[in-house]
Amino acid sequence: EPEVTQTPSHQVTQMGQEVILRCVPISNHLYFYWYRQILGQKVEFLVSFYNNEISEKSEIFDDQFSVERPDGSNFTLKIRSTKLEDSAMYFCASSGVSHERETQYFGPGTRLLVL
Amino acid sequence: GEDVEQSLFLSVREGDSSVINCTYTDSSSTYLYWYKQEPGAGLQLLTYIFSNMDMKQDQRLTVLLNKKDKHLSLRIADTQTGDSAIYFCAEYETGRRALTFGSGTRLQVQP
Repeated sequence: EPEVTQTPSHQVTQMGQEVILRCVPISNHLYFYWYRQILGQKVEFLVSFYNNEISEKSEIFDDQFSVERPDGSNFTLKIRSTKLEDSAMYFCASSGVSHERETQYFGPGTRLLVL
Repeated sequence: GEDVEQSLFLSVREGDSSVINCTYTDSSSTYLYWYKQEPGAGLQLLTYIFSNMDMKQDQRLTVLLNKKDKHLSLRIADTQTGDSAIYFCAEYETGRRALTFGSGTRLQVQP
């Protein structure tokens, strides 16, 4: 069964460093998403992406964040200058077309720790 | 903004039924979802229900939707120890193409 994959599974970085989180969505999906889950808190929407541009973004998704689909398979989230409060689990998701376009399938997540 | 609420914890005995409840605020939600998260793992889609349905059954899972009260429930029949996990309710915000999640219900299944 097709699935969303994410790399790395864990990332430790120093405050102020840039990180890039990578995702490979399900191959025939057209909509891509990033969510995050700070430890002990709810899963929060960050951004949605369609047709090579951002469709929607939340108030969390400020200028420090960017997304990109650099090729036909990868979808990345970049945090330019990490802060301690960026420590969280980051989930990528994708959804398909027609009646399935609202149903989002999630990857296993990348746990980011900023020191 | 939209909000989704769940109780935090549920403990049942193996073989019993589990019922996890959820309330939501967005009356325009088109789809409502249940996801399962096992320790250290991602969010596994369990089932979903379209807002014009009252009930959906999928093997051991039954979803009930009361649109008037904005109440959603997930019933797991014959609960097994492997069902121990956190269960998230989520509503789909049509305008934002985003899911709003509840805080999750931790289901503990006692042997």
